[in-house]
Amino acid sequence: QVQLVQSGAEVKRPGSSIKISCQTSGVTFTTSTLNWVRQVPGQGLEWMGRLLPVVSLHNYAPSFQGRLTITADTSTDTAYMELRSLTSGDTAVYYCAREGAEVSEALHVWGQGTLITVSS
Amino acid sequence: LLTQPPSVSGAPGQRVTISCAGTSSNIGANYAVHWYQHLPGAPPKLLIYANFNRPSGVPDRFSGSRSGSAASLTITGLQPDDEADYYCQSYDRSLLGEVFGTGTTVTVL
Repeated sequence: QVQLVQSGAEVKRPGSSIKISCQTSGVTFTTSTLNWVRQVPGQGLEWMGRLLPVVSLHNYAPSFQGRLTITADTSTDTAYMELRSLTSGDTAVYYCAREGAEVSEALHVWGQGTLITVSS
Repeated sequence: LLTQPPSVSGAPGQRVTISCAGTSSNIGANYAVHWYQHLPGAPPKLLIYANFNRPSGVPDRFSGSRSGSAASLTITGLQPDDEADYYCQSYDRSLLGEVFGTGTTVTVL
């Protein structure tokens, strides 16, 4: 059974950075394309970017270019999402999600979500 | 880039349809459309993939379709447990990434 387990909630100061982890199990990590999606309170889902670890191929949504980095540690089957220069507008629940080849690359398995609160 | 109605509602047992209007850069470019159900406090759940396919375990009350630059999700035999937010998703070739719809809240009257 494929599972994604994310790191816990955090409170951050404006201007700081956050790095959230997403550990996978039950699937070959290196060939799993992992996406990051967030939901700001009161708003809809927003795609942030993704990474295919086996070829270190990643792409990011234009709105996050320059302050978002998605990485992977293949020794621990863990993906990371780092967002820099945080503002109150980055307060959100962040999800990692794995694309499934069996479902035409839709986001089939999701992490439980990580609440990030940006406040002074 | 993917526009959905903010809300739809129906009585138990009725049918509701949620539209997802795209452009020539996403749905109109023949990229697959996926649909998700999102309940408060839980991660989104995949309902429909590649326009009209259901993952294992999703009831056949949920169905998807697409035509031109638009797609739709239909829920038949509406149940109280269907109250949730629903999102469409596709790839956009001008953004070189995925896009979600604006989201639709389904209310069971």
